[in-house]
Amino acid sequence: DQQVKQNSPSLSVQEGRISILNCDYTNSMFDYFLWYKKYPAEGPTFLISISSIKDKNEDGRFTVFLNKSAKHLSLHIVPSQPGDSAVYFCAARENTGTASKLTFGTGTRLQVTL
Amino acid sequence: NAGVTQTPKFRILKIGQSMTLQCAQDMNHNYMYWYRQDPGMGLKLIYYSVGAGITDKGEVPNGYNVSRSTTEDFPLRLELAAPSQTSVYFCASSYGRVQQYFGPGTRLTVT
Repeated sequence: DQQVKQNSPSLSVQEGRISILNCDYTNSMFDYFLWYKKYPAEGPTFLISISSIKDKNEDGRFTVFLNKSAKHLSLHIVPSQPGDSAVYFCAARENTGTASKLTFGTGTRLQVTL
Repeated sequence: NAGVTQTPKFRILKIGQSMTLQCAQDMNHNYMYWYRQDPGMGLKLIYYSVGAGITDKGEVPNGYNVSRSTTEDFPLRLELAAPSQTSVYFCASSYGRVQQYFGPGTRLTVT
């Protein structure tokens, strides 16, 4: 049972336009959501996060929106740049009181074209 | 700071062989994790540790063992390698209980 879903395996966007990456989840106990970016042959790197008590978090060109009632979050990248081409993973944390065990989605490959 | 380092980068094992994947971090993080990523899939947690001497199973622990004798090191042991263990393995560490820092990964093939 996949608790974190990224239903779009790939997305192609022109440079300068907005990229919107989506993520759905099923577990109501998730209290923190994160986006990671991954280039080929490298480990994932943290991009941005949002607590479940907020509905928006912004960091430069990156904004994450959380809709708790729909169990949906999205990452907006504005404007998109060629260097943003990578695989983006959505991850969610369930607050179990121990280490932060994250559940990852399957990723969306973003290609930003010139 | 080197961050999280992993060795080796690549390895080919024969079925039934054993090996240890090394992971080290120099950020003095208490929490460390091992994940595997299969093609087209997300990362799945194998084992994690909340501090030296304390380890616990994640979602997919079968076929693996870990130890944590120091804060810095968290090796992952594969006993009796099987083709199903062909994957990319990522080690991660964290200071708090949210953001994790990942190593570059070890690509393992079992044939």
